[in-house]
Amino acid sequence: GESVGLHLPTLSVQEGDNSIINCAYSNSASDYFIWYKQESGKGPQFIIDIRSNMDKRQGQRVTVLLNKTVKHLSLQIAATQPGDSAVYFCAEKSRNTGFQKLVFGTGTRLLVSP
Amino acid sequence: DSGVTQTPKHLITATGQRVTLRCSPRSGDLSVYWYQQSLDQGLQFLIQYYNGEERAKGNILERFSAQQFPDLHSELNLSSLELGDSALYFCASSPNWGGNNEQFFGPGTRLTVL
Repeated sequence: GESVGLHLPTLSVQEGDNSIINCAYSNSASDYFIWYKQESGKGPQFIIDIRSNMDKRQGQRVTVLLNKTVKHLSLQIAATQPGDSAVYFCAEKSRNTGFQKLVFGTGTRLLVSP
Repeated sequence: DSGVTQTPKHLITATGQRVTLRCSPRSGDLSVYWYQQSLDQGLQFLIQYYNGEERAKGNILERFSAQQFPDLHSELNLSSLELGDSALYFCASSPNWGGNNEQFFGPGTRLTVL
C-alpha cells in the first residue's frame, strides 16, 4: 500500500551545522508534500510545503527539495539551533484521495547539541 | 499556539470502556481532521469532517466514530476500548477541504487504556 518513510530515525548535529532530513514516498500520485515539526508534548507544526510541479522551495532557514524521479523529499535546516530539536515528519497528499488525506512518514528525531 | 483546542489533555480508562474526545477548531475553520499517533503506527489519519459532514475516512476502526456539530466543534468517540488504543489523538483544522489547505494541529489528547 501507500507509504511515506524516512531513511534515518535519529539525526544528531552540532549547533550551527546544517541538517538534512530525508524522506522517501511510494505513491506516484502524490502531488503535495509538507514537512511538520513536532516538539515534545505538542502537536505537529507546519514548517514548509512544496507542490509536485516544483523541485525546490525555500523558507526562513529551511529548504525543501523534491525529486519526483526517485520519489525523494528532503528538508534542509541551515545553522541548526537547539530549538530545532524535535521530531520531523514528512507528509503527502495525493490527487487520488481528493487531497483530503495526509499520509505521514514515520518521523526523524533531530538532536541539536550546543 | 495553533488556535485548535482539545480536551481532555490526558485520559486514563479501562479496557471495554467508552470515551469522548473533544476538539474546537480555529475560528473560521470549517474542516476538522482526527489523527491517531501511536508508537508502532506513527501518525495515522482517521477521519475528516467539513461543515458538519464526513468528507474523508482513513484507518478508523468501526469501534470509533466522530461527528462535527453546528458550532463546528468535533467529538471523537472511542468504544470497547482495547489496550492497543492507547495513543495520542490529534485534531487538526483547516479553512476549507481538500487542496493544499494547511492543517493546524491541536495539542492532542493522550489516551491510556489499562
